Amino acid sequence: DGGITQSPKYLFRKEGQNVTLSCEQNLNHDAMYWYRQDPGQGLRLIYYSQIVNDFQKGDIAEGYSVSREKKESFPLTVTSAQKNPTAFYLCASQPPLAGSTDTQYFGPGTRLTVL
Amino acid sequence: KQEVTQIPAALSVPEGENLVLNCSFTDSAIYNLQWFRQDPGKGLTSLLLIQSSQREQTSGRLNASLDKSSGRSTLYIAASQPGDSATYLCAVRSGGGKLIFGQGTELSVKP
Repeated sequence: DGGITQSPKYLFRKEGQNVTLSCEQNLNHDAMYWYRQDPGQGLRLIYYSQIVNDFQKGDIAEGYSVSREKKESFPLTVTSAQKNPTAFYLCASQPPLAGSTDTQYFGPGTRLTVL
Repeated sequence: KQEVTQIPAALSVPEGENLVLNCSFTDSAIYNLQWFRQDPGKGLTSLLLIQSSQREQTSGRLNASLDKSSGRSTLYIAASQPGDSATYLCAVRSGGGKLIFGQGTELSVKP
């Protein structure tokens, strides 16, 4: 069963703690993305990776870190430096950019709440 | 810098109405434009993708149009149903594969 999965669905964190969100895909996609969604603000790009062992900052990378050691996995760490981490986090993957018709496929999301 | 805006932010209609959601973007140099659906607390599902060379795409009761020169797209939903209630997001793809999203329109279709 092909797809993109995120875990956990809900995550609670105390202030000052780091936390890692999981994103796994078995679609054999090269590119993977992390977005943050806040009410009324749409999706904002945190980090993206076009290939294994390489990743780029998006528009709001401060306080976040990622790794891409395997094609299938792109974990996101929310560090204590992120001042307002409570949000809904979405992971996406995309096949190789062979044409302008390629879309991104989204996971079900992780809702992070800082207590 | 590309900016994408969606109007209205929220919309409530009775069942059976035809409706139009609007999306505008500031830079016409796009590869494609997509409309997504998001149910509460869920991920995004792609509805329609319009290439930069196309004017519209249709899928069932949904029709999306694209006017690059004016930086506008519309999503037309015919004969709306309560099951259409969701948030609809438009996104434009610029160079490098990145998507720029609008804020979304929250649609509620009342029985």
